Amino acid sequence: KAGVTQTPRYLIKTRGQQVTLSCSPISGHRSVSWYQQTPGQGLQFLFEYFSETQRNKGNFPGRFSGRQFSNSRSEMNVSTLELGDSALYLCASSLEIGAKYFGPGTRLTVL
Amino acid sequence: GQQLNQSPQSMFIQEGEDVSMNCTSSSIFNTWLWYKQDPGEGPVLLIALYKAGELTSNGRLTAQFGITRKDSFLNISASIPSDVGIYFCAGSDYTGTASKLTFGTGTRLQVTL
Repeated sequence: KAGVTQTPRYLIKTRGQQVTLSCSPISGHRSVSWYQQTPGQGLQFLFEYFSETQRNKGNFPGRFSGRQFSNSRSEMNVSTLELGDSALYLCASSLEIGAKYFGPGTRLTVL
Repeated sequence: GQQLNQSPQSMFIQEGEDVSMNCTSSSIFNTWLWYKQDPGEGPVLLIALYKAGELTSNGRLTAQFGITRKDSFLNISASIPSDVGIYFCAGSDYTGTASKLTFGTGTRLQVTL
């Protein structure tokens, strides 16, 4: 089975812009989660989607949003980018419960 | 955001040595996971634990789910150069309607030849 794929792998944006990141889960996995990884805060949970519904959300401002499509693919959007949003954004997929498998991440740099 | 206490923070070991690291939490989890992350890549799942007291092996790796459900341990036997990387523990608190991972602070493993 192919693993979790994320696009793009690298992205450079400027403050105030918005960005959309994409994730394709492992075939058959209906749960997709997003995590932010920074040197200071480590890996932090953003949100989780299951069957197109957000079923859990972390402590991030409303500028961070996401959605899931009927084929389980997911996108996350960050609006009005700030310098502190520079991070590795990781997508993870799983069956309804159980172990989560991560993609390679999207490295976002905000200038 | 919350992070689990993971120790040691970093370690230098010689090739062939055994390694132990652990993770503790103030909260109970019903699943413990161990990941390895190489620079610029996503975490790769090493071992998943689903029951308190469970001991699971994956090659040279062995992990245990603590009886209290608040801790977990990972052991690597006979370390080799490709074991270099950052190891993360993660606890999952699946509630029946949602699940999320809470990660440890990471253990950076460096192997000297």
